[in-house]
Amino acid sequence: AQSVTQLDSQVPVFEEAPVELRCNYSSSVSVYLFWYVQYPNQGLQLLLKYLSGSTLVKGINGFEAEFNKSQTSFHLRKPSVHISDTAEYFCAVSDTGSGGSNYKLTFGKGTLLTVNP
Amino acid sequence: GAGVSQSPSNKVTEKGKDVELRCDPISGHTALYWYRQSLGQGLEFLIYFQGNSAPDKSGLPSDRFSAERTGGSVSTLTIQRTQQEDSAVYLCASSRLGTYYNEQFFGPGTRLTVL
Repeated sequence: AQSVTQLDSQVPVFEEAPVELRCNYSSSVSVYLFWYVQYPNQGLQLLLKYLSGSTLVKGINGFEAEFNKSQTSFHLRKPSVHISDTAEYFCAVSDTGSGGSNYKLTFGKGTLLTVNP
Repeated sequence: GAGVSQSPSNKVTEKGKDVELRCDPISGHTALYWYRQSLGQGLEFLIYFQGNSAPDKSGLPSDRFSAERTGGSVSTLTIQRTQQEDSAVYLCASSRLGTYYNEQFFGPGTRLTVL
Protein backbone atom coordinates (compact mmCIF):
# COMPACT_ATOMS: atom_id res chain seq x y z
CA ALA A 1 0.00 0.00 0.00
CA GLN A 2 1.10 3.54 -0.63
CA SER A 3 0.39 6.85 1.01
CA VAL A 4 1.08 10.44 0.04
CA THR A 5 1.56 13.36 2.38
CA GLN A 6 1.31 16.92 1.22
CA LEU A 7 2.78 18.86 4.08
CA ASP A 8 1.00 22.15 3.47
CA SER A 9 -2.75 22.39 3.02
CA GLN A 10 -2.51 26.03 1.97
CA VAL A 11 0.33 28.10 0.50
CA PRO A 12 -0.19 31.84 -0.05
CA VAL A 13 2.41 33.66 -2.14
CA PHE A 14 2.77 36.95 -3.95
CA GLU A 15 2.81 37.17 -7.72
CA GLU A 16 6.27 36.63 -9.29
CA ALA A 17 7.59 34.96 -6.13
CA PRO A 18 9.01 31.42 -6.24
CA VAL A 19 7.00 28.59 -4.75
CA GLU A 20 7.62 25.04 -3.58
CA LEU A 21 4.79 22.62 -2.82
CA ARG A 22 5.97 19.68 -0.79
CA CYS A 23 5.09 16.04 -1.30
CA ASN A 24 6.36 12.97 0.52
CA TYR A 25 5.30 9.42 -0.13
CA SER A 26 5.49 6.07 1.56
CA SER A 27 5.56 2.80 -0.32
CA SER A 28 6.96 -0.69 0.06
CA VAL A 29 7.43 -0.93 -3.72
CA SER A 30 8.80 1.31 -6.44
CA VAL A 31 6.45 4.06 -7.52
CA TYR A 32 5.68 6.42 -10.33
CA LEU A 33 4.95 10.00 -9.27
CA PHE A 34 2.55 12.61 -10.58
CA TRP A 35 1.42 16.16 -9.91
CA TYR A 36 -2.07 17.24 -10.92
CA VAL A 37 -3.66 20.69 -10.80
CA GLN A 38 -7.33 21.43 -10.25
CA TYR A 39 -8.64 24.86 -11.16
CA PRO A 40 -11.93 25.97 -9.58
CA ASN A 41 -14.91 23.94 -10.79
CA GLN A 42 -12.77 21.91 -13.16
CA GLY A 43 -11.39 18.39 -13.25
CA LEU A 44 -7.79 17.49 -12.55
CA GLN A 45 -5.13 18.14 -15.19
CA LEU A 46 -1.75 16.43 -15.30
CA LEU A 47 1.13 18.85 -14.67
CA LEU A 48 4.03 16.43 -14.84
CA LYS A 49 5.08 12.88 -14.05
CA TYR A 50 8.17 10.95 -13.09
CA LEU A 51 8.46 7.47 -14.52
CA SER A 52 12.22 6.90 -14.81
CA GLY A 53 15.43 8.58 -15.90
CA SER A 54 16.34 12.10 -14.90
CA THR A 55 15.08 12.96 -11.45
CA LEU A 56 14.26 16.52 -12.50
CA VAL A 57 11.02 16.58 -14.41
CA LYS A 58 9.65 19.57 -16.27
CA GLY A 59 5.95 20.01 -16.84
CA ILE A 60 3.46 22.44 -18.24
CA ASN A 61 3.09 26.07 -17.22
CA GLY A 62 6.71 26.37 -16.08
CA PHE A 63 6.44 23.87 -13.23
CA GLU A 64 9.11 21.33 -12.39
CA ALA A 65 9.56 18.66 -9.76
CA GLU A 66 12.48 16.68 -8.43
CA PHE A 67 12.31 13.05 -7.38
CA ASN A 68 14.44 12.30 -4.34
CA LYS A 69 14.40 8.58 -3.63
CA SER A 70 16.37 8.73 -0.40
CA GLN A 71 14.01 11.31 1.07
CA THR A 72 10.94 9.80 -0.64
CA SER A 73 9.98 13.24 -1.85
CA PHE A 74 8.67 14.78 -5.05
CA HIS A 75 8.42 18.51 -4.42
CA LEU A 76 6.87 20.81 -7.03
CA ARG A 77 8.50 24.14 -7.82
CA LYS A 78 8.00 27.21 -9.95
CA PRO A 79 10.50 30.08 -10.00
CA SER A 80 7.91 32.82 -10.58
CA VAL A 81 4.18 32.35 -10.10
CA HIS A 82 1.28 34.14 -11.74
CA ILE A 83 -2.21 34.95 -10.50
CA SER A 84 -3.47 32.28 -12.91
CA ASP A 85 -1.56 29.60 -11.00
CA THR A 86 -4.07 29.89 -8.17
CA ALA A 87 -5.48 26.38 -7.89
CA GLU A 88 -5.32 23.19 -5.85
CA TYR A 89 -2.36 20.91 -6.50
CA PHE A 90 -2.38 17.17 -5.90
CA CYS A 91 0.57 14.82 -5.65
CA ALA A 92 -0.12 11.20 -6.57
CA VAL A 93 1.68 7.87 -6.85
CA SER A 94 1.08 4.56 -8.55
CA ASP A 95 3.07 1.41 -8.16
CA THR A 96 5.32 0.15 -10.94
CA GLY A 97 4.30 -3.45 -10.65
CA SER A 98 3.44 -5.53 -13.65
CA GLY A 99 0.70 -7.23 -11.71
CA GLY A 100 -1.88 -4.95 -13.21
CA SER A 101 -2.42 -2.42 -10.44
CA ASN A 102 -0.27 0.37 -11.79
CA TYR A 103 -3.30 2.22 -13.09
CA LYS A 104 -4.42 3.10 -9.56
CA LEU A 105 -3.48 6.56 -8.35
CA THR A 106 -3.14 7.30 -4.65
CA PHE A 107 -3.50 11.01 -4.02
CA GLY A 108 -2.39 13.37 -1.31
CA LYS A 109 -4.99 15.65 0.23
CA GLY A 110 -3.97 18.60 -1.89
CA THR A 111 -2.33 21.99 -1.43
CA LEU A 112 -4.27 25.13 -2.19
CA LEU A 113 -1.92 27.62 -3.83
CA THR A 114 -3.18 31.20 -3.67
CA VAL A 115 -1.25 33.80 -5.64
CA ASN A 116 -1.87 37.33 -4.47
CA PRO A 117 -1.12 40.51 -6.42
CA GLY B 1 -11.65 17.19 -29.14
CA ALA B 2 -14.22 16.57 -26.43
CA GLY B 3 -12.99 15.74 -22.99
CA VAL B 4 -14.54 13.63 -20.27
CA SER B 5 -18.03 14.83 -19.46
CA GLN B 6 -20.12 14.12 -16.38
CA SER B 7 -23.74 14.69 -15.56
CA PRO B 8 -25.35 16.14 -13.64
CA SER B 9 -22.86 18.75 -12.51
CA ASN B 10 -24.74 19.14 -9.23
CA LYS B 11 -27.16 16.81 -7.51
CA VAL B 12 -29.04 17.47 -4.31
CA THR B 13 -30.94 14.56 -2.86
CA GLU B 14 -32.61 13.51 0.34
CA LYS B 15 -31.18 10.89 2.62
CA GLY B 16 -32.38 7.44 1.64
CA LYS B 17 -32.92 8.20 -2.05
CA ASP B 18 -31.01 6.52 -4.86
CA VAL B 19 -28.86 8.55 -7.28
CA GLU B 20 -27.20 7.85 -10.61
CA LEU B 21 -24.14 9.70 -11.80
CA ARG B 22 -23.09 9.51 -15.43
CA CYS B 23 -19.69 9.64 -17.09
CA ASP B 24 -18.92 9.97 -20.81
CA PRO B 25 -15.25 9.16 -21.38
CA ILE B 26 -13.08 10.36 -24.22
CA SER B 27 -13.85 8.40 -27.37
CA GLY B 28 -11.50 5.46 -27.80
CA HIS B 29 -10.40 5.33 -24.17
CA THR B 30 -10.72 1.77 -22.93
CA ALA B 31 -9.99 2.47 -19.28
CA LEU B 32 -12.36 4.37 -17.01
CA TYR B 33 -12.04 5.29 -13.35
CA TRP B 34 -14.25 6.73 -10.65
CA TYR B 35 -12.83 8.74 -7.75
CA ARG B 36 -14.47 10.51 -4.83
CA GLN B 37 -13.24 13.86 -3.54
CA SER B 38 -14.42 14.80 -0.08
CA LEU B 39 -13.24 17.36 2.44
CA GLY B 40 -12.04 14.94 5.03
CA GLN B 41 -10.64 12.19 2.84
CA GLY B 42 -9.18 13.94 -0.18
CA LEU B 43 -9.28 12.04 -3.46
CA GLU B 44 -10.09 8.34 -3.18
CA PHE B 45 -10.10 5.68 -5.87
CA LEU B 46 -13.45 3.89 -6.18
CA ILE B 47 -13.44 1.59 -9.21
CA TYR B 48 -11.60 0.84 -12.44
CA PHE B 49 -13.09 -0.41 -15.71
CA GLN B 50 -11.22 -1.99 -18.56
CA GLY B 51 -13.76 -2.13 -21.34
CA ASN B 52 -17.03 -3.18 -19.77
CA SER B 53 -15.52 -5.21 -16.97
CA ALA B 54 -14.42 -3.93 -13.58
CA PRO B 55 -11.32 -5.81 -12.45
CA ASP B 56 -10.86 -3.53 -9.45
CA LYS B 57 -13.78 -2.47 -7.28
CA SER B 58 -11.70 -2.28 -4.15
CA GLY B 59 -12.45 1.38 -3.44
CA LEU B 60 -16.23 1.15 -3.33
CA PRO B 61 -17.03 2.08 0.29
CA SER B 62 -20.07 -0.12 0.77
CA ASP B 63 -22.50 -2.37 -1.07
CA ARG B 64 -24.75 0.65 -1.57
CA PHE B 65 -22.31 1.72 -4.28
CA SER B 66 -22.28 0.06 -7.70
CA ALA B 67 -21.14 0.98 -11.17
CA GLU B 68 -21.52 -0.33 -14.66
CA ARG B 69 -20.16 0.46 -18.06
CA THR B 70 -21.86 -0.34 -21.32
CA GLY B 71 -20.56 -0.48 -24.88
CA GLY B 72 -17.08 0.24 -23.61
CA SER B 73 -18.15 3.83 -23.25
CA VAL B 74 -20.63 5.45 -20.85
CA SER B 75 -20.45 4.54 -17.18
CA THR B 76 -23.00 5.02 -14.44
CA LEU B 77 -22.20 5.13 -10.73
CA THR B 78 -25.23 4.33 -8.61
CA ILE B 79 -25.55 5.05 -4.92
CA GLN B 80 -28.52 3.44 -3.20
CA ARG B 81 -30.12 4.69 0.00
CA THR B 82 -27.84 7.71 0.12
CA GLN B 83 -26.40 8.86 3.43
CA GLN B 84 -25.08 12.26 4.42
CA GLU B 85 -21.52 10.93 4.41
CA ASP B 86 -21.91 10.24 0.69
CA SER B 87 -21.83 13.99 0.06
CA ALA B 88 -18.74 14.64 -2.07
CA VAL B 89 -17.56 15.42 -5.57
CA TYR B 90 -17.47 12.31 -7.74
CA LEU B 91 -14.84 12.47 -10.44
CA CYS B 92 -14.59 10.27 -13.48
CA ALA B 93 -11.41 9.80 -15.52
CA SER B 94 -10.50 7.88 -18.63
CA SER B 95 -7.29 6.81 -20.32
CA ARG B 96 -6.36 5.03 -23.54
CA LEU B 97 -5.25 1.98 -21.61
CA GLY B 98 -5.20 1.07 -17.97
CA THR B 99 -1.51 1.52 -17.36
CA TYR B 100 0.54 4.13 -15.56
CA TYR B 101 1.93 5.77 -18.67
CA ASN B 102 -1.48 6.42 -20.09
CA GLU B 103 -2.49 9.78 -18.71
CA GLN B 104 -5.81 9.84 -16.93
CA PHE B 105 -8.04 12.65 -18.16
CA PHE B 106 -10.53 13.87 -15.60
CA GLY B 107 -14.03 15.19 -15.98
CA PRO B 108 -15.31 18.23 -14.04
CA GLY B 109 -17.09 16.07 -11.50
CA THR B 110 -20.57 15.76 -10.04
CA ARG B 111 -21.12 17.50 -6.73
CA LEU B 112 -23.49 15.35 -4.66
CA THR B 113 -25.19 16.82 -1.63
CA VAL B 114 -27.26 14.55 0.58
CA LEU B 115 -29.60 16.42 2.91
